[in-house]
Amino acid sequence: DIQLTQSPSFLSASVGDRVTITCRASQGISSYLAWYQQKPGKAPKLLIYAASTLQSGVPSRFSGSGSGTEFTLTISSLQPEDFATYYCQQLNSYHLFTFGPGTKVDIK
Amino acid sequence: QVQLQESGPGLVKPSGTLSLTCAVSGGSISSSNWWSWIRQPPGKGLEWIGEIYHSGSTNYNPSLKSRVTISVDKSKNQFSLKLSSVTAADTAVYYCARIRITRDAFDIWGQGTMVTVSS
Repeated sequence: DIQLTQSPSFLSASVGDRVTITCRASQGISSYLAWYQQKPGKAPKLLIYAASTLQSGVPSRFSGSGSGTEFTLTISSLQPEDFATYYCQQLNSYHLFTFGPGTKVDIK
Repeated sequence: QVQLQESGPGLVKPSGTLSLTCAVSGGSISSSNWWSWIRQPPGKGLEWIGEIYHSGSTNYNPSLKSRVTISVDKSKNQFSLKLSSVTAADTAVYYCARIRITRDAFDIWGQGTMVTVSS
């Protein structure tokens, strides 16, 4: 099974900071990687799919990059509403979905 | 705008069967999308349970496959989850979600429903 790891697991940042979260896959997954934002008590929200495509309605300060085994989610200028937990998710060749363990972004 | 709404008992006894339904509104379950169940234990991460197409085709997480059944009711525009032989480890918020047509990500989610397994 392909495993996903995220780093860091916890991130403390200030409004206006540039934030980067990394997701690594144990095997190559091409570009089948998505990113979600989850706020407490709410369902996850799709931010990026196919590694780098912004979901409709998502602010352009969010961007994704990478392919193969290493992917990044970048928030160019952190806003107050961006404090949340972020998950990566992959689709493997057996059509099974797996999520990363999450990265919590907190206020410094 | 497609919306999803989970419903079902919030409390299930150990060794019993968890049953949830996801109602689809604002669109047809017979679209080209697959539909999925995902769960999240309190304070933990997300776990994919399985998916279904309107034809009835399914795929399940191997770790849950022996206990999971996902079905579709096109006449009611809804799909359902049954998880048998539950234990406290199955206590979680259960989400239903729509999978993008390219089958690579979950683009619409229900609000989630908390299910507790306890006697």
